[in-house]
Amino acid sequence: EPEVTQTPSHQVTQMGQEVILRCVPISNHLYFYWYRQILGQKVEFLVSFYNNEISEKSEIFDDQFSVERPDGSNFTLKIRSTKLEDSAMYFCASKTRDRDKFFGPGTRLTVL
Amino acid sequence: QKEVEQNSGPLSVPEGAIASLNCTYSDRGSQSFFWYRQYSGKSPELIMSIYSNGDKEDGRFTAQLNKASQYVSLLIRDSQPSDSATYLCAVSSGGYQKVTFGTGTKLQVIP
Repeated sequence: EPEVTQTPSHQVTQMGQEVILRCVPISNHLYFYWYRQILGQKVEFLVSFYNNEISEKSEIFDDQFSVERPDGSNFTLKIRSTKLEDSAMYFCASKTRDRDKFFGPGTRLTVL
Repeated sequence: QKEVEQNSGPLSVPEGAIASLNCTYSDRGSQSFFWYRQYSGKSPELIMSIYSNGDKEDGRFTAQLNKASQYVSLLIRDSQPSDSATYLCAVSSGGYQKVTFGTGTKLQVIP
């Protein structure tokens, strides 16, 4: 069964540094998402992406965040200047119009 | 603010019993309803989706939806220790819209 993949599995960075989290969605999926989960808290929506543009974003997704689909397979989340409170699990997800959403295994981001 | 409410638990049930998990949601425009299972440190794994009032069964799992009461439930029959996890209720306005998650209910199945 096809899967969403994410790299790296764990990223450690210093506060103020830029990080890029990478995702490879399932190949025939058209809608892409980033969610995050701070330890012990609920899964929160960050952004959705369709047809090479952001379709919706949450209040969390401020100017420090950006997404990109640089080629036909990758979907990236960039955090420009990380803060301590950005430490979380970041999940990528993808879906087709009529199918349920599939989540990747996540990237654990630790900001020191 | 669209909210999804769940009892955080833990809900403890003996092996072989029925586990009953409940969820309420605030947005009457919600069209799609999901139950995800999440093991510690892992990503959410879709167990059931339900879109219309009534029951939907898949193996040992039954999802129940009551839109009038804005209530979703998940029954797990013949609970196994491997079912021990956090169960996330999630709702969406449908299509490609974002999913709003509850905080999850931790289930412990006691051997």
